[in-house]
Amino acid sequence: AQSVAQPEDQVNVAEGNPLTVKCTYSVSGNPYLFWYVQYPNRGLQFLLKYITGDNLVKGSYGFEAEFNKSQTSFHLKKPSALVSDSALYFCAVSVPESGYNKLIFGAGTRLAVHP
Amino acid sequence: SQTIHQWPATLVQPVGSPLSLECTVEGTSNPNLYWYRQAAGRGLQLLFYSVGIGQISSEVPQNLSASRPQDRQFILSSKKLLLSDSGFYLCAHAGLGPYEQYFGPGTRLTVT
Repeated sequence: AQSVAQPEDQVNVAEGNPLTVKCTYSVSGNPYLFWYVQYPNRGLQFLLKYITGDNLVKGSYGFEAEFNKSQTSFHLKKPSALVSDSALYFCAVSVPESGYNKLIFGAGTRLAVHP
Repeated sequence: SQTIHQWPATLVQPVGSPLSLECTVEGTSNPNLYWYRQAAGRGLQLLFYSVGIGQISSEVPQNLSASRPQDRQFILSSKKLLLSDSGFYLCAHAGLGPYEQYFGPGTRLTVT
């Protein structure tokens, strides 16, 4: 079965330090992978995606993610965290099925960036 | 550009009352549309998806139903709400293929 795991319930980082939010996946075939961010009482905002090509994907707000096929991982990274990056982050994998693309989401990781 | 609207933004309803949440999309035609529920500020559960007018697929059995009366309109309904229907409801749209989904601002539903 297709699944996504975000092993950390919460990640705490000091402002200015690098951050990593972990994601691993289990899919049959080639994965299409996504990261979303959610601020309180708001909808999800798309950050970046991996479809094919370069394993390092750059997205919005200075975020990037590295696709690692051998480790079945797609970790989200940022070189220097901002307090405003504090939010809930979701990893998702696309499961192409007839007529539509279904997204399987991880449980989410809460990122707290401290001044 | 594509824009997705949801209303109302918040809703408090008593148990047993009906429900109608609306989602509309602008700037695209024949989009795939989705309804999700998010409980306790965490994971998302796909409730329904639609690939066209009148075409609805349900992911999980529940007290809710969905309809798509127009190409860019997606409605989530219930005849009688349960306490367990409380949550944050998100509508999303996407094109065909391995594309990302774009989410609306959500509706916070509290059933009392």
